[in-house]
This record gives sequence, structure tokens and C-alpha cells, in this order.
Amino acid sequence: DTEVTQTPKHLVMGMTNKKSLKCEQHMGHRAMYWYKQKAKKPPELMFVYSYEKLSINESVPSRFSPECPNSSLLNLHLHALQPEDSALYLCASSQDAVSLVDEQFFGPGTRLTVL
Amino acid sequence: KNQVEQSPQSLIILEGKNCTLQCNYTVSPFSNLRWYKQDTGRGPVSLTIMTFSENTKSNGRYTATLDADTKQSSLHITASQLSDSASYICVVSLERSNDYKLSFGAGTTVTVRA
Repeated sequence: DTEVTQTPKHLVMGMTNKKSLKCEQHMGHRAMYWYKQKAKKPPELMFVYSYEKLSINESVPSRFSPECPNSSLLNLHLHALQPEDSALYLCASSQDAVSLVDEQFFGPGTRLTVL
Repeated sequence: KNQVEQSPQSLIILEGKNCTLQCNYTVSPFSNLRWYKQDTGRGPVSLTIMTFSENTKSNGRYTATLDADTKQSSLHITASQLSDSASYICVVSLERSNDYKLSFGAGTTVTVRA
């Protein structure tokens, strides 16, 4: 299995809602990432988990809360988002975050719209 | 500041024709350079990855070249197909341990027309 899966594919939420994005990989990768991508822009790194521990937080607002329940799963909990948070949220994984030669495999993304 | 510049921003080509995309980078020290293909609304998919010592790498109709001296890379698409319509992103990583960041280019949007 060489896939990174993400659910849901699309999500529409109000500013007072609480929702979660889910990401899963079964490649035995020990590093997982959350990216945010606005239209016609490159992905922006949000969080990095290495061996199930949060190792990088790119100064992301606290209304985004990541969670790594185990080595295969990565969640992104959303609360009190703003319309400008609407974007494609990409999950990625790699064998080992420390090794820069390792390729990052991306999921298909979740298209989030905040009303 | 590490930067990756891609050109052109977008291009339109006829089915069956070839095209070449450019990527210039100032990332230093350099570890590797990757080309990704991203369909609209989908996640990026890796096409090629090249380290400092590699000059060229092919993946089917996609051929990437790298000149580490001039810090330039190109992606050549041969005999384009309608399914090649996508954004092509150049991504460069640093040669620094414990640095998880990749530097992404803004991408080149390719539209293949019948």
C-alpha cells in the first residue's frame, strides 16, 4: 500500500463548528505532515510529526490542533475557523523526517470551505 | 531566504507537442530537487527526484535535468497528452539535518489542448 488517504474529500463548516480532518498511511512511515494550500499557491507547511511526536509547528493559530494517535494516523482538529482558512489541506508522509532524501508522499487533500 | 522560482507561470500546448518547464533555485546548501505533478484539487504526485550528483532522470515521458552549478533544473514533457494538464511544482530541500522544510516553487500550470 503506497497511498496516503485523507477524509473527508470536501468539508463545509461554519465559523462556530468543530470538525476534524483525518489522514492515514500504511507504508510504515514515521514522519507525517500537514500542509495548507491556497489556490494557485504552493503548499505551506503547518505541522510535522516525527515518531508520533510534534516536532514542528510553523506558528499555526491555535484554532488548528493536530493529533497523532498512532504511527499511521494523523488528525487535524478545527475549531472557530475564519473564512480565510478555506483552502486545500494536504497530508503527507515520509520514511523519516530527519533524512532529507526521503520522498514525501501526499494525500489527495481535503477541500475546506469556511462560511 | 531560500527561493525556488519557476517559469513560465502557465503555458498552453497542443496535444502531441513537447514542452519544457524551468526551475531556478537559490536554496543552499542543496540536498535534492523534486518535480511533482498536481492535478487541480488533488495532492502532488512525485515525478522525479534528483540529488546533487545526478544530471538527468526520466519517468516515462517526463525527463528532468539538473545543473547544480547554475542551480537550474528543467522538466521536459514529450509527446504531451491531455492528461498532462496539471500544475508542475519544483521542490528543493536543504542539506541540513533536522530540517524538515521543503522549498516549493509556485508551479507552472500546463494546459494541453486537443
